[in-house]
Amino acid sequence: DVKVTQSSRYLVKRTGEKVFLECVQDMDHENMFWYRQDPGLGLRLIYFSYDVKMKEKGDIPEGYSVSREKKERFSLILESASTNQTSMYLCASRRPDRLTEAFFGQGTRLTVV
Amino acid sequence: GQQVMQIPQYQHVQEGEDFTTYCNSSTTLSNIQWYKQRPGGHPVFLIQLVKSGEVKKQKRLTFQFGEAKKNSSLHITATQTTDVGTYFCAGSFTGTASKLTFGTGTRLQVTL
Repeated sequence: DVKVTQSSRYLVKRTGEKVFLECVQDMDHENMFWYRQDPGLGLRLIYFSYDVKMKEKGDIPEGYSVSREKKERFSLILESASTNQTSMYLCASRRPDRLTEAFFGQGTRLTVV
Repeated sequence: GQQVMQIPQYQHVQEGEDFTTYCNSSTTLSNIQWYKQRPGGHPVFLIQLVKSGEVKKQKRLTFQFGEAKKNSSLHITATQTTDVGTYFCAGSFTGTASKLTFGTGTRLQVTL
């Protein structure tokens, strides 16, 4: 059974903290994605990676960075968390082919106080 | 930038009624996918459309891809309570094959 695992289901952090969200996939997928989900706004792409150490900005990269040192792991970093980054964060992976489906992790509900 | 919008944002139907959600892109899509997210869950792939004018069916669900490849729709016939969730379209644009852009989603509520 294919799996995308996010390190935390729920997370509460303080404003100004550096936050790491981890995602691991076991499908040997080249492409990995980080989205945030907010009511009425759908899934918005923050960053994606198409290979180890390769990344591209998505539609809302401000305030975020990413790291992909190994193929199976894609980390999202909030350099200095702010309350407007309170959201559901979803990681996804897929093969490097536009015709393949994306597999999602269970999501991390991040609250910044 | 490339955007994918969906309407309506929310729909509440009685069980047995039909439901349709529409997906519109600002630019031509190379293909479109549909996902369903159950309450408390994560998006799960339903289907993919690639060709202009393509129509696909999955039991009570009918998916269409527009002739210009800029819009798509999902129609559910005779909704059931198991159809509850949020439906997302997601597209890839020509020249940015790796990037998968999701729509704003339509949340469906079905009551008896």
